[in-house]
Amino acid sequence: QQQVKQSPQSLIVQKGGISIINCAYENTAFDYFPWYQQFPGKGPALLIAIRPDVSEKKEGRFTISFNKSAKQFSLHIMDSQPGDSATYFCAASTGGTDKLIFGTGTRLQVFP
Amino acid sequence: DAGITQSPRHKVTETGTPVTLRCHQTENHRYMYWYRQDPGHGLRLIHYSYGVKDTDKGEVSDGYSVSRSKTEDFLLTLESATSSQTSVYFCAISVFQASGNTIYFGEGSWLTVV
Repeated sequence: QQQVKQSPQSLIVQKGGISIINCAYENTAFDYFPWYQQFPGKGPALLIAIRPDVSEKKEGRFTISFNKSAKQFSLHIMDSQPGDSATYFCAASTGGTDKLIFGTGTRLQVFP
Repeated sequence: DAGITQSPRHKVTETGTPVTLRCHQTENHRYMYWYRQDPGHGLRLIHYSYGVKDTDKGEVSDGYSVSRSKTEDFLLTLESATSSQTSVYFCAISVFQASGNTIYFGEGSWLTVV
């Protein structure tokens, strides 16, 4: 049973466009929602994270939108660049356990 | 890279042989994790450790064991490797920060079981 469902599996965006990746979760005890970025041959790297006490968090071109009632959160990449081409994973964890449950990943390709 | 070193980075082994992957950290962080990454599954937790000789199972622990005799080293052992264990293995550490704990990953170990 996939506790964190991520979509789409792949995404193609033109340079300057907006990339949107969505995740849905089932466990209402989750209280930490990070997004990781992974380049080929590398380990995942933390991009941005949110806790359920806020509905939105922005860091540069990256924004997390969080909807607690719908149990959904999404990553928005504004002004997408070819250098953003990577695989993105959403994740969730509970109560400071640090045991992250990951989505299945989205491969983003940004074309010039 | 949060001071995480994984070894070996690449290994090909035969079915039925034992394999040990090593994760070494340089900053004495207490919490360490082993994940495996497979297409269509994302990253799944195998085992984790909250300190020396303090380990527990994750969601996909069957066929794997771990040991942590020193703070800096967390070993993952496949007692008898199977083809289903062909995967990329990532070690991770939890770093305490004022804004909350952050999980950092190593560069990965590519394991092929033939």
